Amino acid sequence: IAGITQAPTSQILAAGRRMTLRCTQDMRHNAMYWYRQDLGLGLRLIHYSNTAGTTGKGEVPDGYSVSRANTDDFPLTLASAVPSQTSVYFCASSDYPGSTIYFGEGSWLTVV
Amino acid sequence: GENVEQHPSTLSVQEGDSAVIKCTYSDSASNYFPWYKQELGKRPQLIIDIRSNVGEKKDQRIAVTLNKTAKHFSLHITETQPEDSAVYFCAATLTGGGNKLTFGTGTQLKVEL
Repeated sequence: IAGITQAPTSQILAAGRRMTLRCTQDMRHNAMYWYRQDLGLGLRLIHYSNTAGTTGKGEVPDGYSVSRANTDDFPLTLASAVPSQTSVYFCASSDYPGSTIYFGEGSWLTVV
Repeated sequence: GENVEQHPSTLSVQEGDSAVIKCTYSDSASNYFPWYKQELGKRPQLIIDIRSNVGEKKDQRIAVTLNKTAKHFSLHITETQPEDSAVYFCAATLTGGGNKLTFGTGTQLKVEL
């Protein structure tokens, strides 16, 4: 089934460790996004990419980095994890910026 | 940039009653307004959307209305069922031009038996 694949599904991570959340889409969408979801705060945009080779900062980019080497992959890296980065992370994509967004299944990250 | 406010944050209704969730947006140029449903532990999924060239759209028990003058749009669920219990998010954007969807903070809907 076509869609967005995220890995890992869940992870417990020690503070200070580096972590990369992987995201792959097979819909050939131009735009990709990373959101974090915390109780009471809804979906907050971390980073986005309007097209392969470009990235941009969202609402809460500090402590995170992304790359977009090709159309399909959009990994999110936490350089040195902190407990406040405990959250559910959703990768998403859309055909073009501003069009309907489709979400992956999410990655549950706990930083201890 | 766009700012979207969503109310209420929680909503309880009796099974069979109607539920209404309201959102306001700040950018009068926004022209695309989707609604997402997120069940517990699952990803948000699109349930209905509306574009600024129409005032209302229906899909079975779900409808969305848009008031461009007042800059607000609403989700209406009729004949609610327990499986409607979820968090609902509204969003708004101007399509094209590199703009991104701005989400509301969500409404926890509980349908009680």
